[in-house]
Amino acid sequence: QVQLQESGPGLVKPSETLSLTCAVSGYSIINGYCWGWIRQPPGKGLEWIGSICHNGDTYYNASLKTRLTTSADSSKNQFSLDLKSVTAADTAVYYCVRLEHLRRVFDKWGLGTMVTVAA
Amino acid sequence: DIQMTQSPTVSASVGDRVTITCRASQGLNNYFAWYQQKPGKAPKLLIYSVSSLESGVPSRFSGSRSGTDFTLTITSLQPEDFASYYCLQADSFPSLSFGGGTKVEIK
Repeated sequence: QVQLQESGPGLVKPSETLSLTCAVSGYSIINGYCWGWIRQPPGKGLEWIGSICHNGDTYYNASLKTRLTTSADSSKNQFSLDLKSVTAADTAVYYCVRLEHLRRVFDKWGLGTMVTVAA
Repeated sequence: DIQMTQSPTVSASVGDRVTITCRASQGLNNYFAWYQQKPGKAPKLLIYSVSSLESGVPSRFSGSRSGTDFTLTITSLQPEDFASYYCLQADSFPSLSFGGGTKVEIK
């Protein structure tokens, strides 16, 4: 079965870059689907951040586009997120997800990882 | 951008029929889904394509639409249904957006 697992630092300083990686097991990311990130600030709702598709195309939330980069490493079967110039407003649980084209839903989710932006 | 508006909370008792509404800022096709989220857990897909039930989801959950209003109905609320519910629109695929969420709480 397909499983996703986020990893990365739990604490990032303001103005620095938040970097997360999602390891995928049970499916090769280059075979299909888009793979992405969703975040949830404490006590708040869900926000789609961006996605990278199996063909390398990337799609970003317009509100984050200038600070965001996503990439994929097919040799490790993982994809990554880099969000630069972070502030306290970027403090959130970050989920990696699989986006299914046919039904247009996020059908697989990681457990999520909490990232706090603080000095 | 397409905006999705949900009421923040719904208060209900076990056995109640509960409706949760998500209003879109413009007309949408049928790429619309509902998720359930419990504290400390990742969201779980309940409904896709407005009214199709995800495999393994109890039949007390159903979805419908009327114009730009989308509704999630729980016919007989169970204790495990107290959670937050989020709508998701995918008209602008692969850019998608969620509603703000509705928390179903104990009356």
